[in-house]
Amino acid sequence: DQQVKQNSPSLSVQEGRISILNCDYTNSMFDYFLWYKKYPAEGPTFLISISSIKDKNEDGRFTVFLNKSAKHLSLHIVPSQPGDSAVYFCAASVRSQGNLIFGKGTKLSVKP
Amino acid sequence: DTGVSQDPRHKITKRGQNVTFRCDPISEHNRLYWYRQTLGQGPEFLTYFQNEAQLEKSRLLSDRFSAERPKGSFSTLEIQRTEQGDSAMYLCASSSPGLAVHNEQFFGPGTRLTVL
Repeated sequence: DQQVKQNSPSLSVQEGRISILNCDYTNSMFDYFLWYKKYPAEGPTFLISISSIKDKNEDGRFTVFLNKSAKHLSLHIVPSQPGDSAVYFCAASVRSQGNLIFGKGTKLSVKP
Repeated sequence: DTGVSQDPRHKITKRGQNVTFRCDPISEHNRLYWYRQTLGQGPEFLTYFQNEAQLEKSRLLSDRFSAERPKGSFSTLEIQRTEQGDSAMYLCASSSPGLAVHNEQFFGPGTRLTVL
């Protein structure tokens, strides 16, 4: 039973346009959400996070939106750049616990 | 480089052999985590330490797996009597809830294990 779901295995976007990556979760106890980016042969790199008390967090070109009632979050990248091409993982945690629960990832391709 | 480091980066072994991996966390981080990632999946949690204490273990961590963090610094993950199903990327991460507002975990490059 997957608690964190990324239903789109891949996404292709033109350079300069917006990339929107989506993530759904089922566990209402999750109170902290993170996005990681992963290049081949490297470990995941932390990108941006959001607490359940907020509905938006922005860091440069990256914005994460959280809709708790829908148990949905999304990552917006504007403008998209070819260097953003990677696999993006959504992760969630319960603050009192140590582990992160990851989705299966979405492979983003940004075409020049 | 002061990030998380893992050794070795690649390990090929025969079924039935024992393997041991090492992780060196970011120096001021007191939490250390092990995850496993297989093709097409996200990382799956195995276990984590706060200082030298192992606080949580996943049901994925069978009795053939053991992890230690003897002095609260580096950690080792040992797999005994390896099976082909153990082939995966083993990722280590560290964090410091005392310093960070939230529990961002920082990952190492991983050790890719292939069991023949």
